Amino acid sequence: DGGITQSPKYLFRKEGQNVTLSCEQNLNHDAMYWYRQDPGQGLRLIYYSQIVNDFQKGDIAEGYSVSREKKESFPLTVTSAQKNPTAFYLCASSIKGFTGIINEKLFFGSGTQLSVL
Amino acid sequence: GEDVEQSLFLSVREGDSSVINCTYTDSSSTYLYWYKQEPGAGLQLLTYIFSNMDMKQDQRLTVLLNKKDKHLSLRIADTQTGDSAIYFCAEIPRGGGNKLTFGTGTQLKVEL
Repeated sequence: DGGITQSPKYLFRKEGQNVTLSCEQNLNHDAMYWYRQDPGQGLRLIYYSQIVNDFQKGDIAEGYSVSREKKESFPLTVTSAQKNPTAFYLCASSIKGFTGIINEKLFFGSGTQLSVL
Repeated sequence: GEDVEQSLFLSVREGDSSVINCTYTDSSSTYLYWYKQEPGAGLQLLTYIFSNMDMKQDQRLTVLLNKKDKHLSLRIADTQTGDSAIYFCAEIPRGGGNKLTFGTGTQLKVEL
């Protein structure tokens, strides 16, 4: 079955540590996204990528980094510069992305809950 | 910045109708969406409405759009326990390309 897989489901970070969240999709989608979800707030866009080897900052990119070396994979690294990393992180994909067809459907993974030790 | 606002909580009895409300920011938004998030999971697209429509019905779901007041609502008829989830509205504001702006989410609790 096609879909988006995020791992791990739960992750703990020690102070000063970088951690990487995995996101893999087998939908053959060009575009991939990372969102952060905090209780009582909407989803906020961290980074997005519309094509392999290219990505752009979203609204809250500071303290995060990404790579897009393969179409299927869009890992997110939460660096030690992110001072408030505790949140639920959601990865999504779509066929074409922001410059594609308007009304493009986003497909979401099941999320990773990141907590600070 | 732009804020899409929703009530945080809604509680209904099983079998009743639920109405989830959303106030969005950009009157020139082209599409408006409703996504559902079950506990510990990602979001799923429930339905959407194009901005030149006032209403869209899809089985138990009815979307109403009031462009003058920038108000969007989702009505769920005959609400079931499986409808318990967080519901997010989202818009594509003018100049945002195809970039979605999500609301704060409404937690719907269905009681027996």
